[in-house]
Amino acid sequence: KQEVTQIPAALSVPEGENLVLNCSFTDSAIYNLQWFRQDPGKGLTSLLLIQSSQREQTSGRLNASLDKSSGRSTLYIAASQPGDSATYLCAVRRNSGGSNYKLTFGKGTLLTVNP
Amino acid sequence: DAGVTQSPTHLIKTRGQQVTLRCSPISGHKSVSWYQQVLGQGPQFIFQYYEKEERGRGNFPDRFSARQFPNYSSELNVNALLLGDSALYLCASSLAGYGYTFGSGTRLTVV
Repeated sequence: KQEVTQIPAALSVPEGENLVLNCSFTDSAIYNLQWFRQDPGKGLTSLLLIQSSQREQTSGRLNASLDKSSGRSTLYIAASQPGDSATYLCAVRRNSGGSNYKLTFGKGTLLTVNP
Repeated sequence: DAGVTQSPTHLIKTRGQQVTLRCSPISGHKSVSWYQQVLGQGPQFIFQYYEKEERGRGNFPDRFSARQFPNYSSELNVNALLLGDSALYLCASSLAGYGYTFGSGTRLTVV
């Protein structure tokens, strides 16, 4: 059974700081990994999708890396801004087998960027 | 392009009642998935439908059911509501199972 863990559960940083959010998963047989942002009471916004054959993806100030063999992904946020405050979730999709269609999520990291 | 749309946005029901939640996927997406997110937790998989057929079911009781229509929209039904069913219900659509796009969710409160 795939389990996804996100560390830390909460993070508070001053504006302008670079930061790293961590995601680990127990089963390395993944198809892809997706990072999402969730504002309070809202739906999920996709940030980055990394296919299992890729090592990293970048979008603006965001960079996500994937080390499938060690079961780890990181989301790097450069020059953080108060508008980045949200919960960040990572989710993995299994590579094969009967459950390869579903996403397994971590509990998320609550990020607060202070002005 | 319209994203994934869900209705209603908020809903209050009484224990024992039944509820139907609706989802319209992104145009061209044939796969629709449903997730339940309780406060402080990550979303949990409920169902996936592809081309109107159920492709997977999560660890939820039979009170939960869903279907997908010919236009690929979907409904999630929950019978005999319990207080513990209070959650944000999220719908996601995908193209060929690559990245998933989520809707804004339906906040269900059971009293």
